Amino acid sequence: QQQVKQSPQSLIVQKGGISIINCAYENTAFDYFPWYQQFPGKGPALLIAIRPDVSEKKEGRFTISFNKSAKQFSLHIMDSQPGDSATYFCAAVTQGGSEKLVFGKGTKLTVNP
Amino acid sequence: GAVVSQHPSRVICKSGTSVKIECRSLDFQATTMFWYRQFPKQSLMLMATSNEGSKATYEQGVEKDKFLINHASLTLSTLTVTSAHPEDSSFYICSARATGTGGAYYGYTFGSGTRLTVV
Repeated sequence: QQQVKQSPQSLIVQKGGISIINCAYENTAFDYFPWYQQFPGKGPALLIAIRPDVSEKKEGRFTISFNKSAKQFSLHIMDSQPGDSATYFCAAVTQGGSEKLVFGKGTKLTVNP
Repeated sequence: GAVVSQHPSRVICKSGTSVKIECRSLDFQATTMFWYRQFPKQSLMLMATSNEGSKATYEQGVEKDKFLINHASLTLSTLTVTSAHPEDSSFYICSARATGTGGAYYGYTFGSGTRLTVV
């Protein structure tokens, strides 16, 4: 049973465009939702994270939108750059619970120059 | 910020030998570390949770005797792939959760990964 569903599987965006990746979760006990960026041959790096008491969080060109009632959250990358080309994973975890991150299947983003 | 160092980054070994991968938290103490396996173009698959001073907790389907985990200190966890075979070739990644002073929460930090190739 996949607890975090991520879409799309791949995304191609032109430089300067907006990249949008969506995730949906099932477990209402999740209370921390991070996004990770992974380049080939490297470990994932934390990009931005949000807690369910906040509907939006912005850090530079990256924004998380969170809809608690719909159990959905999304990553928006504004002014996408070729250097943003990577695989992005959403995740969710229950802190104080199992502490295990549950990952989405990933989205491969390609930003064309 | 919290940094997790993982070594080696790449290793090639002969079938039947054992390989040890180290994961260190450099600037924080990690009572719990996590080991993942990642196949090409796939997501991270949790293999086990490593607890300092106690036995690791393995996910269903992960062979405990093949993937030995030792978490002897608050800054070091090791994964040993025993009697490695070509099907064990994969990308292995460790992770730890960091909490800073005053309760600052750094979330989960990942190592840079180890590419294991068994020939």
